Amino acid sequence: AQTVTQSQPEMSVQEAETVTLSCTYDTSESDYYLFWYKQPPSRQMILVIRQEAYKQQNATENRFSVNFQKAAKSFSLKISDSQLGDAAMYFCAYGSPNTGTASKLTFGTGTRLQVTL
Amino acid sequence: DAGVTQSPTHLIKTRGQQVTLRCSPKSGHDTVSWYQQALGQGPQFIFQYYEEEERQRGNFPDRFSGHQFPNYSSELNVNALLLGDSALYLCASSLAGEETEAFFGQGTRLTVV
Repeated sequence: AQTVTQSQPEMSVQEAETVTLSCTYDTSESDYYLFWYKQPPSRQMILVIRQEAYKQQNATENRFSVNFQKAAKSFSLKISDSQLGDAAMYFCAYGSPNTGTASKLTFGTGTRLQVTL
Repeated sequence: DAGVTQSPTHLIKTRGQQVTLRCSPKSGHDTVSWYQQALGQGPQFIFQYYEEEERQRGNFPDRFSGHQFPNYSSELNVNALLLGDSALYLCASSLAGEETEAFFGQGTRLTVV
């Protein structure tokens, strides 16, 4: 079974600064996807960024980028130029094409990100 | 384009009762997955429905059951409620064959007293 670990329960960043959220995972599969989801107080999970394991290039989406280290099974999220609206819970998640990828996700326990002025 | 909608948003039930939660998937999606998110935890996969059948199931007891209708909407039923069933229940939808993104609803907050 796959596991996802987020070792930072809470992080804080000043507005306009950069913060990195950590995630490690364990799997015996070679083909999989990794995701970062944001959950604001509205409770709705919003996809931030996703990475396909067979792609060596790190995914980027505007201010959000990942550092994907397949051998180390590490998948960190970097948020640049942090904004007040980035404050939320962030979840790292794993999906396998063998089980429908994003239709069956394994989530970590989350990191609460605070953004201060 | 309506996203994933869930109802109700909140409800309170008494231990031992039964509850039904509802989910309408994003337009064009045919697969619905249900998750339980306990307070301070990440979501846990309950089960997935496709073509009106349960296709995959997580580590949840038989008290948790579901249904998918021909219009792809879905229900989650929980029987004999326990205090530990108190959680946020999230529904996610995706399209079979293009499952690299799932869209989530805002969830139903269930409190069992």
